[in-house]
Amino acid sequence: NAGVTQTPKFQVLKTGQSMTLQCAQDMNHEYMSWYRQDPGMGLRLIHYSVGAGITDQGEVPNGYNVSRSTTEDFPLRLLSAAPSQTSVYFCASSASGLPGQPQHFGDGTRLSIL
Amino acid sequence: AQSVTQPDIHITVSEGASLELRCNYSYGATPYLFWYVQSPGQGLQLLLKYFSGDTLVQGIKGFEAEFKRSQSSFNLRKPSVHWSDAAEYFCAVGGRNTGFQKLVFGTGTRLLVSP
Repeated sequence: NAGVTQTPKFQVLKTGQSMTLQCAQDMNHEYMSWYRQDPGMGLRLIHYSVGAGITDQGEVPNGYNVSRSTTEDFPLRLLSAAPSQTSVYFCASSASGLPGQPQHFGDGTRLSIL
Repeated sequence: AQSVTQPDIHITVSEGASLELRCNYSYGATPYLFWYVQSPGQGLQLLLKYFSGDTLVQGIKGFEAEFKRSQSSFNLRKPSVHWSDAAEYFCAVGGRNTGFQKLVFGTGTRLLVSP
């Protein structure tokens, strides 16, 4: 009963390093998304995908890349990490991309950029 | 554009007392509305959702919320708070006409429960 699995749980990077945050779901959900959570700002949508091979930008996409080669996986890439990307990152999935579908969240990745 | 306001950053409630967390939204039509709870170090868990119909929605863990169109509100309530309810609560709004799922979250309300 894994649901949405995010790895790693914690990571410290230096400015300029690259990294991929992993997200996998075992519910055969079509829709997956990435959010970042910052103090006093709630969750903000970074990128989302409505199915394998289809991705689109959310509210705060700059500095992040995504791809969706399989239904199960939706990795988030930081090509050149910046201190402003220090945050907690959440991956979520839902059965479809239709408005109103409740989302299932992973436990988050806590990322610090020095 | 959609937006959500949770005016209370922190709320402290005595165990056994009633709870109401406020949520106001901005959206041009009737939105989809959600309440999520986040325990420390965990992801978000869905408490309840409003799509249409009955404006009083029942959720898990004894929570309920009432959609009031005239006040653009979706406040979360619980008649008797338990110590395990201490967590952060997020209200979220989803548009019916955005094509695909795009949730906008409020900034959250942290609930503290005193003995």
